[in-house]
Amino acid sequence: DAKTTQPTSMDCAEGRAANLPCNHSTISGNEYVYWYRQIHSQGPQYIIHGLKNNETNEMASLIITEDRKSSTLILPHATLRDTAVYYCIVRASPTAVTGNQFYFGTGTSLTVIP
Amino acid sequence: DVKVTQSSRYLVKRTGEKVFLECVQDMDHENMFWYRQDPGLGLRLIYFSYDVKMKEKGDIPEGYSVSREKKERFSLILESASTNQTSMYLCASRETAVSGNTIYFGEGSWLTVV
Repeated sequence: DAKTTQPTSMDCAEGRAANLPCNHSTISGNEYVYWYRQIHSQGPQYIIHGLKNNETNEMASLIITEDRKSSTLILPHATLRDTAVYYCIVRASPTAVTGNQFYFGTGTSLTVIP
Repeated sequence: DVKVTQSSRYLVKRTGEKVFLECVQDMDHENMFWYRQDPGLGLRLIYFSYDVKMKEKGDIPEGYSVSREKKERFSLILESASTNQTSMYLCASRETAVSGNTIYFGEGSWLTVV
């Protein structure tokens, strides 16, 4: 799976958009970009994923560059409850009998400031 | 919404005790996983199951066993708990190992072995 690089920490003012970048310059054609977040003492929460096109759901938007070497997770109106560690993961389509291989890395610690 | 439920959020066990961690998912997912998460080490896969009665070792299976008698339930067993098994344990599930499928996590079980 492609390695990802994320900033260690970021701050965002409450009510503003939070833009979390992720570099994945070695991504290959069949690898998806996934975003999860983990609030302290809880399990990781799925946010969004995509392959080539930009994606949007009720939680966030995912912008993937045309060359797919980087992506940005956008939380349009950050709230205090969005304070968490955000993980960007890229992984290939697994075979039928392989398990996980979601390597979470260290992620970006986002702090939403009142 | 997918729901992955871990039976115990916080447990304290003595060294040498047998420990059962239970996990249930309500989305008829084929694949289920057990991870542990430790500071600085990220998520590490212990075991996974791609179907009922099927199991495969992950990256750190030593000291653990698993049971999957029913599709919705995946149990992690510590035969003889040791202090180095103090950790947060995360259960997860996925529909199948199809490209783009997402892994969903439970809330986590904090185990302290004294």
